Amino acid sequence: GENVEQHPSTLSVQEGDSAVIKCTYSDSASNYFPWYKQELGKRPQLIIDIRSNVGEKKDQRIAVTLNKTAKHFSLHITETQPEDSAVYFCAATDTGTASKLTFGTGTRLQVTL
Amino acid sequence: GAGVSQSPSNKVTEKGKDVELRCDPISGHTALYWYRQSLGQGLEFLIYFQGNSAPDKSGLPSDRFSAERTGGSVSTLTIQRTQQEDSAVYLCASSFDRGEAFFGQGTRLTVV
Repeated sequence: GENVEQHPSTLSVQEGDSAVIKCTYSDSASNYFPWYKQELGKRPQLIIDIRSNVGEKKDQRIAVTLNKTAKHFSLHITETQPEDSAVYFCAATDTGTASKLTFGTGTRLQVTL
Repeated sequence: GAGVSQSPSNKVTEKGKDVELRCDPISGHTALYWYRQSLGQGLEFLIYFQGNSAPDKSGLPSDRFSAERTGGSVSTLTIQRTQQEDSAVYLCASSFDRGEAFFGQGTRLTVV
């Protein structure tokens, strides 16, 4: 089955700096890679996703890149703000076989003033 | 409803009692997941239902845990003879075939 590894487990950045979270996956058939943000005491919510037919996707201050050859994908947050502080989870799945969504272990991002 | 609904929001139970947690997924979603999240920890996969296929039960931690999904919609997670280590937030998520999964607000289970 799919195995997703996520690094780092914790990340502290100053407000205005960039943050990068990296994930690797094991199943070359995986074709859908979402990122979830979980604020304290709340449910995980989808913030951005990428499918295997593209290499990069942006949405305002967040972007995701995918390297299918190396089987890794990354979340980039620019101009970080205190409200970006949360736990971020990456995930991977093969939608063609309806395999389950496999999550990484999470990254706790702290944006300091 | 508009989103994934879980009930109850909070449950306090005595050690040794059985509990049932309910998940009402988004209408039409074929996939349904249960996860467990202990305080400050990640998402621990429990079970995955996809359409009419046999569920993937590989994440259930012991035979005290079971889940069913009736009519391809509502799901119930049952924990028998609860233990203190079962205390956690239990999250349900559902998705359609394009992969985006939507989470419910969770059930916070406390075993005393």
